[in-house]
Amino acid sequence: AQSVTQLGSHVSVSEGALVLLRCNYSSSVPPYLFWYVQYPNQGLQLLLKYTSAATLVKGINGFEAEFKKSETSFHLTKPSAHMSDAAEYFCAVSLFGNEKLTFGTGTRLTIIP
Amino acid sequence: GAVVSQHPSWVICKSGTSVKIECRSLDFQATTMFWYRQFPKQSLMLMATSNEGSKATYEQGVEKDKFLINHASLTLSTLTVTSAHPEDSSFYICSARDRGRAGNSYNEQFFGPGTRLTVL
Repeated sequence: AQSVTQLGSHVSVSEGALVLLRCNYSSSVPPYLFWYVQYPNQGLQLLLKYTSAATLVKGINGFEAEFKKSETSFHLTKPSAHMSDAAEYFCAVSLFGNEKLTFGTGTRLTIIP
Repeated sequence: GAVVSQHPSWVICKSGTSVKIECRSLDFQATTMFWYRQFPKQSLMLMATSNEGSKATYEQGVEKDKFLINHASLTLSTLTVTSAHPEDSSFYICSARDRGRAGNSYNEQFFGPGTRLTVL
């Protein structure tokens, strides 16, 4: 079975500062990993995904994440936070051949003006 | 491309009534759709996996007689909350997997905007 752990249910950063949202996974086989963003009262939008190709994955809105097998991590970063980045972020994992996505508990990102 | 819609976006109903939520893939064929439930400030919990033309597969603890799922076509799945009660109030989100999309062997799902159900 696979799982993800998101450290920090709330993260606050100043506008223009580095954004770092943490995600660690547990999987018995190489996983597929995803980051989704959710704005209030909306569904989820895919930010980026890791599918066993390049370990550094670039996504939309300036976000990127690096798959580190040795650390079982897939942390999400953005060099400079923007006010519009304020949202809920979910890390998710699935396995090849298994369609189910398992989500982390989410991290609420707040941007301080 | 890969747009998923849900209808209604919000619904308020009286306790004991049934509510149907529709999930449509607008520009692709979705042989598999998923239904999630999200409580306030919590993560998404998978309720069931819906395959076109067959019975849905429910996750452990989800009452299949209460949450009826129908996936009658490649672009439409419906979730009916039967005899709704206040504890069924939640945000319901569907997603769809586009098997026909080139390179989608990695299980990417496209999510609808969600339906907020409030049961009085």
